[in-house]
Amino acid sequence: DAKTTQPPSMDCAEGRAANLPCNHSTISGNEYVYWYRQIHSQGPQYIIHGLKNNETNEMASLIITEDRKSSTLILPHATLRDTAVYYCIVRPMRGGADGLTFGKGTHLIIQP
Amino acid sequence: DAGVIQSPRHEVTEMGQEVTLRCKPISGHDYLFWYRQTMMRGLELLIYFNNNVPIDDSGMPEDRFSAKMPNASFSTLKIQPSEPRDSAVYFCASSLAGGPETQYFGPGTRLLVL
Repeated sequence: DAKTTQPPSMDCAEGRAANLPCNHSTISGNEYVYWYRQIHSQGPQYIIHGLKNNETNEMASLIITEDRKSSTLILPHATLRDTAVYYCIVRPMRGGADGLTFGKGTHLIIQP
Repeated sequence: DAGVIQSPRHEVTEMGQEVTLRCKPISGHDYLFWYRQTMMRGLELLIYFNNNVPIDDSGMPEDRFSAKMPNASFSTLKIQPSEPRDSAVYFCASSLAGGPETQYFGPGTRLLVL
């Protein structure tokens, strides 16, 4: 699976949009970009994923650059409950069951 | 639904002791995953089951670790004997389809081996 690079931490004011960047310059054509988050003392939670088109769901939007070498997760109106570590990973959609592996992520702190 | 339930939430034990972690998956989910998370190595998949059958245990660190799923509503992860390097947060996740975007995680068991 391709390697990703994320800033270790970010701050965002409550009510503003939080934009979390991720670089994945070695991404392959069949690899998707996935985002997860982990709130303190909880298990990881899936947020969104995409291949090349921008995606939006009830939690967030995912913007993937045209060359697919980077992406941005957008939380449109951040709340204090969005304070968490956010993980960006790239991996093929293999079908069937598959385990997760992720490393450091970005610690997003929402400020009141 | 109560979500994935894990017990205990915290466990402190001494080196050499047996540790048993428990998981109750979400009802109706056919897949169950055990993960371990540490600061040094991040999140790692240990083993997963499909319909109570172990499918991939390549992530189990060594023979001291064993996992069972005697029925669709219960699984255990056992460490015997435990060592300080086993200290970590252990997560259980369940899923209908198995894919990473469909896994629901429990709150985890924080294990400290002294």
